[in-house]
Amino acid sequence: KAGVTQTPRYLIKTRGQQVTLSCSPISGHRSVSWYQQTPGQGLQFLFEYFSETQRNKGNFPGRFSGRQFSNSRSEMNVSTLELGDSALYLCASSLGAQGAGYGYTFGSGTRLTVV
Amino acid sequence: TQLLEQSPQFLSIQEGENLTVYCNSSSVFSSLQWYRQEPGEGPVLLVTVVTGGEVKKLKRLTFQFGDARKDSSLHITAAQPGDTGLYLCAGASSGGYNKLIFGAGTRLAVHP
Repeated sequence: KAGVTQTPRYLIKTRGQQVTLSCSPISGHRSVSWYQQTPGQGLQFLFEYFSETQRNKGNFPGRFSGRQFSNSRSEMNVSTLELGDSALYLCASSLGAQGAGYGYTFGSGTRLTVV
Repeated sequence: TQLLEQSPQFLSIQEGENLTVYCNSSSVFSSLQWYRQEPGEGPVLLVTVVTGGEVKKLKRLTFQFGDARKDSSLHITAAQPGDTGLYLCAGASSGGYNKLIFGAGTRLAVHP
């Protein structure tokens, strides 16, 4: 059974540019969540998509956006990149609600470096 | 704002020793999850606990959810070098939202 696939694994971008990251969830998982991981802030929730609808959003500026396609694949976009956006971006898919204890399956992440 | 405080932040021990990692909050969670993350990879789910007072065992790892569902602990017996990694606790609220609040993590190093 294929896991969660994130592409690309590594990216180097210049301040002011924009970037698009991709995530393919486990087959059958309709919920896709995105997290940002940095050494200073740890893992922080960005947003969650379910059946092409954003259900929940974290406390990030509007430069961070996402979408989900009918096949459950998801993309996140960061516009006008800042140095502080350098982080590991993790995608996680789930079969059900975290409040019910379903748990996430995470991808390996995309390491974004902004120079 | 829900917060999860995880302690200790770092742990360096010898093979064969026992250890406990703590995860505390003033908030009530519907479920508490533990993940382990290795460098350059995403976190891997170890266990979820959903009932107050629940205890789950996974080989040498024992997880406990506090009676009031505000805290949890992870105990490792006879640690091995393969246990080395970043251990993360994460709490979820009820309401069907797929959002986890993560603790800052405990970085464990087990030396042969």
